[in-house]
Amino acid sequence: DTGVSQNPRHKITKRGQNVTFRCDPISEHNRLYWYRQTLGQGPEFLTYFQNEAQLEKSRLLSDRFSAERPKGSFSTLEIQRTEQGDSAMYLCASSPSGDEQFFGPGTRLTVL
Amino acid sequence: AQSVTQPDIHITVSEGASLELRCNYSYGATPYLFWYVQSPGQGLQLLLKYFSGDTLVQGIKGFEAEFKRSQSSFNLRKPSVHWSDAAEYFCAVAQSNFGNEKLTFGTGTRLTIIP
Repeated sequence: DTGVSQNPRHKITKRGQNVTFRCDPISEHNRLYWYRQTLGQGPEFLTYFQNEAQLEKSRLLSDRFSAERPKGSFSTLEIQRTEQGDSAMYLCASSPSGDEQFFGPGTRLTVL
Repeated sequence: AQSVTQPDIHITVSEGASLELRCNYSYGATPYLFWYVQSPGQGLQLLLKYFSGDTLVQGIKGFEAEFKRSQSSFNLRKPSVHWSDAAEYFCAVAQSNFGNEKLTFGTGTRLTIIP
C-alpha cells in the first residue's frame, strides 16, 4: 500500500493555459474523489467516481473543468483556460467502500 | 444541505496541556463524522470517525471525540498535547447513505503548541 499519489505536486501556469493533474488511488479502491482547497479554507468537494463512472459533480466544477477515470484506475482533472481564481490545492482521495477516504498530498496550482 | 462549523480559527496551547477543538454540524439525519489533521505539505490524515454506537470515539495519536446529538457537536480532545500535534485540524461530515459519501469540511482550526 503506497498511498494515494498525485502528480505534479506543484504547477505554475499562466492565465488562459490548460493544465492537467493526475491521481493514482490506492490499489483496488473503487471510489475516487476530487476536492479543492483554497487558502484558509477546508477542502470543497468537486467530483466523485465509482469505478469509471462519474456519479456526482459539484456546482463548483464549471464547464472549464473535466475529470475522467478511464478503466476505473487513475484519474485526471483538467482545467481549461485557467483563471487566477483557480489557484488552489487540488486534493484527490480514494476509498474502498466509502466509509473512510484516504487523501493524497495534493497538487498546488498557481495561476499567474 | 449539510454544513460544518469550526468556531475557533486558531488555538494556542502549551505543550502538555489538554486540548479541545470544537465542531458543530448541521445535517438532518444521522451523520457520519470525521476529524482529519493536515500538516504543512502533507495530505489529510484521518484521526477518527463516528458512524454509530458508542458516542465516545478513540482515534490515533491519543485523540478522542464525543458525538453529542443534542448539541449537534463532535468535539475533538486530547489530554496532553505534544509539539508534534501542531497542525491544521478539520472536522467533516458525510451523508449516512452509501452512494453519496462526499465530505463537507469545516474551515479548520490551526493549532499552535508553545513550549
